Amino acid sequence: EVQLVESGGGLVQPGRSLRLSCVASGFTFDDYAMHWVRQAPGKGLEWVSGISWHGGTIGYADSVKGRFTISRDNAKNSLYLQMNSLRAEDTAFYYCAKDQRSGWYSVDFWGQGTLVTVSS
Amino acid sequence: QSVLTQPPSVSGAPGRRVTISCTGSSSNIGAGYDVHWYQQLPRTAPKLLIYGNVNRPSGVPDRFSGSRSGTSASLAITGLQAEDEADYYCQSYDISLSGWVFGGGTKVTVL
Repeated sequence: EVQLVESGGGLVQPGRSLRLSCVASGFTFDDYAMHWVRQAPGKGLEWVSGISWHGGTIGYADSVKGRFTISRDNAKNSLYLQMNSLRAEDTAFYYCAKDQRSGWYSVDFWGQGTLVTVSS
Repeated sequence: QSVLTQPPSVSGAPGRRVTISCTGSSSNIGAGYDVHWYQQLPRTAPKLLIYGNVNRPSGVPDRFSGSRSGTSASLAITGLQAEDEADYYCQSYDISLSGWVFGGGTKVTVL
């Protein structure tokens, strides 16, 4: 059974940093691309960042470019999102998401999400 | 303003058919990139409903179907059921943005 378990969310002040982690199980992690997708409370889905199976292809939404960094450790079956210079508008549930393919295509499994609240 | 445009809401009586449109542009759907659809029930993570424009993952009822034409795509739900009340999102890739784009979401209400 595929499982994606996020951690690292919480309350953080504007301008500070936070690092999200996602531990994967139930599939061969290094065969698939991975993504972070966020959803502000009561709002729609927003793609944040994606990384191919080997980390060679990485992309970011314009809203986080230059502030967020995605990475993965295939030996640890883990995906990360380093979030710097956080803003109030970054407040959202952050979902770890498994791609159907090794490159970017669509999400076939989602984690349960971790809430990041940026507030003073 | 989402890159992919969806109606905010659609509704229908049980047993009826509803469709949700997803309108893009020449840099995403019109460029030939596939469209995928997700269903999000209240207070849960999204679930893949349709991938590659028309394909259903195992376990998704055949009441759900997808199509794509030109710069748009559609999701149809036939034989509407109470359990279909949810938010639905389309997703594709945008070559100008070099990343994924989602529609703003459509809330389906079963009357």
